[in-house]
Order: sequence, then structure tokens, then C-alpha cells
Amino acid sequence: AQKITQTQPGMFVQEKEAVTLDCTYDTSDPSYGLFWYKQPSSGEMIFLIYQGSYDQQNATEGRYSLNFQKARKSANLVISASQLGDSAMYFCAMRGRWYSSASKIIFGSGTRLSIRP
Amino acid sequence: GAVVSQHPSWVICKSGTSVKIECRSLDFQATTMFWYRQFPKQSLMLMATSNEGSKATYEQGVEKDKFLINHASLTLSTLTVTSAHPEDSSFYICSARDSISQGYNSPLHFGNGTRLTVT
Repeated sequence: AQKITQTQPGMFVQEKEAVTLDCTYDTSDPSYGLFWYKQPSSGEMIFLIYQGSYDQQNATEGRYSLNFQKARKSANLVISASQLGDSAMYFCAMRGRWYSSASKIIFGSGTRLSIRP
Repeated sequence: GAVVSQHPSWVICKSGTSVKIECRSLDFQATTMFWYRQFPKQSLMLMATSNEGSKATYEQGVEKDKFLINHASLTLSTLTVTSAHPEDSSFYICSARDSISQGYNSPLHFGNGTRLTVT
């Protein structure tokens, strides 16, 4: 069975500081993908970044980077130079059976990030 | 690219009536779409996987007769909440992958969700 765990229900960070959102996962699939999504109060899900289990380097997308530690089964999201607009819910997600177009994505419980001015 | 449109964005209905929610992939084809449900301040729970031209695959505990899914074309999936009750009030959100042009590692793209309130 697959499982995603986010242990930080909420975080407060000062504007312009970096923040790390934790995510650990469990899967028996040999290949899988890890994703981070942002959900503002309006409700839409915004894709931020992904990491494939066989990728050698950590993924980066602008101010977002993913600290992937495969042996520890962790995929933490790092947001550099946080902005007020970063305040939102953040979900870590995983997709197993990487080779199948129908393989589903499961989500962690989320972390509510609040940026203080 | 890879835009998913969901309609309506919100709906209020009376108990006992049925509500249909549409999910369209606007600029790509999606053989598979996914329907999620989200309660306030909670995570997204997968309800079912919608497969074009075949029956949907429901997650354990989801009533297939209550949540009817139809995926009649490569760009449209619908979720119908039948005989809605107040406990069905929730945020429903669909998603799809552009598996053809973006490859097997493409992320899910989400619609903006439908907030259903059953009175």
C-alpha cells in the first residue's frame, strides 16, 4: 500500500525567509513519482514540482526545490525567499506504477503555510 | 497548455435531487480522469478513476450507484451525484493527465473544483 505523510499541519514563516515543508512516503513500487501542489483559499490545485524516483538530481522550479532523499523516503519541498502569495495549503503527492497511464495519485494531509509580512 | 475546465464551480441543490458535474480537458486528450472529494481543511480523497469508453473504477467505500461517472469522450468526464443528501455536501475536484504529449511522468492537472451544498 502507498502512503504519504505530512507531519506539519501548519507553519508560520516570516516573509523572505526560506521554508521547508516535510513529506515522507511509503511504497512498494520500484518506480514512482512525487509531486507537490499548492492550494490557495480559492480552491484550485496548482502543480509546483515533481521528482521521479530514478532522477539523479533534485528537482528545481524557480523558487521551489525538492529535497529528495530516497533512502529515507522523504521528499521535502523547499521554498526560497518566501512571499505573501505563498500562503496556502501545500500537498505532497505520490504516483506509483509509474509506467501505467491509469495509476492514481494519492495525497498527504497537507500543510497550511502562512507567510507573515 | 494542459487546461482542465470544471463546471459548475458551485451548486446548491435540494435533498433528493441529482447534480451533474462536468470535467473537460480543453487542449489535450485524457483517456483517464480522476475524481476527488475534499472536506473542509482536509486532504483530497480519490473517489474514482474515470476511463474513456469503459466503466469507472471506484475506490473502496465509494458508492458507485450514488456517484455515477461517465467518460464518453477523450475530453469529457461527468460525475453525477444522485439523490443528494446534506452529507454529500463537499468540494469535488476533477483532474487529468496529458499522457500523450507530456509523457508518462506528467503531473495531474486539476479543474477549479465544484462546491456542492445540499440543503
